[in-house]
Amino acid sequence: DAMVIQNPRYQVTQFGKPVTLSCSQTLNHNVMYWYQQKSSQAPKLLFHYYDKDFNNEADTPDNFQSRRPNTSFCFLDIRSPGLGDAAMYLCATSRNRDSSLAQYFGPGTRLLVL
Amino acid sequence: GQNIDQPTEMTATEGAIVQINCTYQTSGFNGLFWYQQHAGEAPTFLSYNVLDGLEEKGRFSSFLSRSKGYSYLLLKELQMKDSASYLCAVSDSNYQLIWGAGTKLIIKP
Repeated sequence: DAMVIQNPRYQVTQFGKPVTLSCSQTLNHNVMYWYQQKSSQAPKLLFHYYDKDFNNEADTPDNFQSRRPNTSFCFLDIRSPGLGDAAMYLCATSRNRDSSLAQYFGPGTRLLVL
Repeated sequence: GQNIDQPTEMTATEGAIVQINCTYQTSGFNGLFWYQQHAGEAPTFLSYNVLDGLEEKGRFSSFLSRSKGYSYLLLKELQMKDSASYLCAVSDSNYQLIWGAGTKLIIKP
């Protein structure tokens, strides 16, 4: 089945220790998104790629970086995680940026910062 | 600013009907989505409305009034597995999704 895959499902890191979260998709979608979601809050868009075109949200901290080496994979790098970065990180894809197209989410990676 | 409002929590009884409301104020409008999110899991797509009116899909229906900046999700014949958060999201003039914080729906036997 075509899908969005995120690994690992749970990630524990230490304060200040760089961590990378990964996302892959078999849907061949052009757009990939990274969201941060804290408990009982709305998902917060960090950035998205439209093909190779990177789009950073204005309020995304510099501590968060992303890479998309090819259509299938996208990575979220947190250079120096703080306690406030503990959250669920959701990767999503859509075929294009057309407003009528739904975003399809991976299962998420829950990040714990010690 | 852009804003999506939904009730924080609702409770309903198994077998009953529940309506979850969403009001929005966004810069532009290119459609409204409803997603379901079970605890600890990712959101899954339920419905999309861009024109006024009711869209029915099995036990779930979604309604939109663009002039009022209002939508609702109607769930019929509630089942225990419908216990989840329901998120309303609007596609704005830049085709970015503006998300509500979600409505936690609790189903009681």
